[in-house]
Amino acid sequence: ETGVTQTPRHLVMGMTNKKSLKCEQHLGHNAMYWYKQSAKKPLELMFVYNFKEQTENNSVPSRFSPECPNSSHLFLHLHTLQPEDSALYLCASSQDRVLSTDTQYFGPGTRLTVL
Amino acid sequence: QKEVEQNSGPLSVPEGAIASLNCTYSDRGSQSFFWYRQYSGKSPELIMSIYSNGDKEDGRFTAQLNKASQYVSLLIRDSQPSDSATYLCAVNDPNTGKLIFGQGTTLQVKP
Repeated sequence: ETGVTQTPRHLVMGMTNKKSLKCEQHLGHNAMYWYKQSAKKPLELMFVYNFKEQTENNSVPSRFSPECPNSSHLFLHLHTLQPEDSALYLCASSQDRVLSTDTQYFGPGTRLTVL
Repeated sequence: QKEVEQNSGPLSVPEGAIASLNCTYSDRGSQSFFWYRQYSGKSPELIMSIYSNGDKEDGRFTAQLNKASQYVSLLIRDSQPSDSATYLCAVNDPNTGKLIFGQGTTLQVKP
């Protein structure tokens, strides 16, 4: 256990559904991240929050909407997704992304399937 | 475009052998380097971090960093079947603080 939890672990949804992914970290970190991992591709950074403020949006389609109510919780709201959005969605946290030695710790991920 | 390159493999080694995983990166200003292990269907797990040129050892794992040649490697001594996984190299982008991940190298340790 890394101290980063994600729910649900598996999610199947239709293209018209709305769902949310939740991430919680118990490490006292200040930065949280959403990554997408598709088969045969490197990890893709989606969003970064530092001290609850969004500092990075890597040209992610608007059908993905992040929310960070506090430094310990991060959500990813999903609506009108496409089948190509099926992937493993990983949450990570780190102490402070300004530090050059900043280390990211990953949650277990949510395996998302869009039908 | 900042890049981190890894041979996707699979790299196959017999049990007890040394597995050598390599990674090159494009940004000469990068300062932090990480190796993550990812079992199939699981999330990446941090194995080693290295920040200075030379070797860093932790149990059966040794990370090697050569900033002049822009490569970082991971050696696994006495490889075990349980080491079979994908190993991800990650390098920090000094301008943005982002971690840039390689595609990963799949390691297979044969009993």
